[in-house]
Amino acid sequence: AQTVTQSQPEMSVQEAETVTLSCTYDTSESDYYLFWYKQPPSRQMILVIRQEAYKQQNATENRFSVNFQKAAKSFSLKISDSQLGDAAMYFCAYRSSINAGNNRKLIWGLGTSLAVNP
Amino acid sequence: DGGITQSPKYLFRKEGQNVTLSCEQNLNHDAMYWYRQDPGQGLRLIYYSQIVNDFQKGDIAEGYSVSREKKESFPLTVTSAQKNPTAFYLCASNPYGMNTEAFFGQGTRLTVV
Repeated sequence: AQTVTQSQPEMSVQEAETVTLSCTYDTSESDYYLFWYKQPPSRQMILVIRQEAYKQQNATENRFSVNFQKAAKSFSLKISDSQLGDAAMYFCAYRSSINAGNNRKLIWGLGTSLAVNP
Repeated sequence: DGGITQSPKYLFRKEGQNVTLSCEQNLNHDAMYWYRQDPGQGLRLIYYSQIVNDFQKGDIAEGYSVSREKKESFPLTVTSAQKNPTAFYLCASNPYGMNTEAFFGQGTRLTVV
């Protein structure tokens, strides 16, 4: 069974600085999808970035980028020029590319709470 | 605007009572999901449905029931058999056949009093 591990329960960063959140996963599949979600104090879950495992190029969305290391099964999130609004819980999630049955569900890490200091 | 609406935002239940959480989406998504979120435990899947009139148990289905009579609606009933129902509940959806991200509602906080 696939698992997702976020080893940093809490992190903090100074405003305008860069921070990297770690995520590792375990799978025997060769094709899959990885996601980073943000959950602010409002508790609305918001997609930050998505990576397809078959793509070698790391995904980027404005100030957010990932370092996807397929062989190491690592999927870290880098937030550049951190802003106060980036303060939130960040969850890493995995989904199989097999589009049937129980494989369609997302496998979640336990989250990293990010504080942004002014 | 298209999206997922969960209601109510806060819900209080007396012990021994059943309560139903609403989830409605107008995104024309086929698949819908219910998650439970507890502090320090991340999200756990309760039930999911890929098409109308069909649904599957997730990892923690005991004490919960669902229905999927319409594509737009996927209500979750928390029954009296659920021993520890106080939690934050999130509903999500995504198009069937596409490995896209899930879209989430704003959640319902259920408290047993």
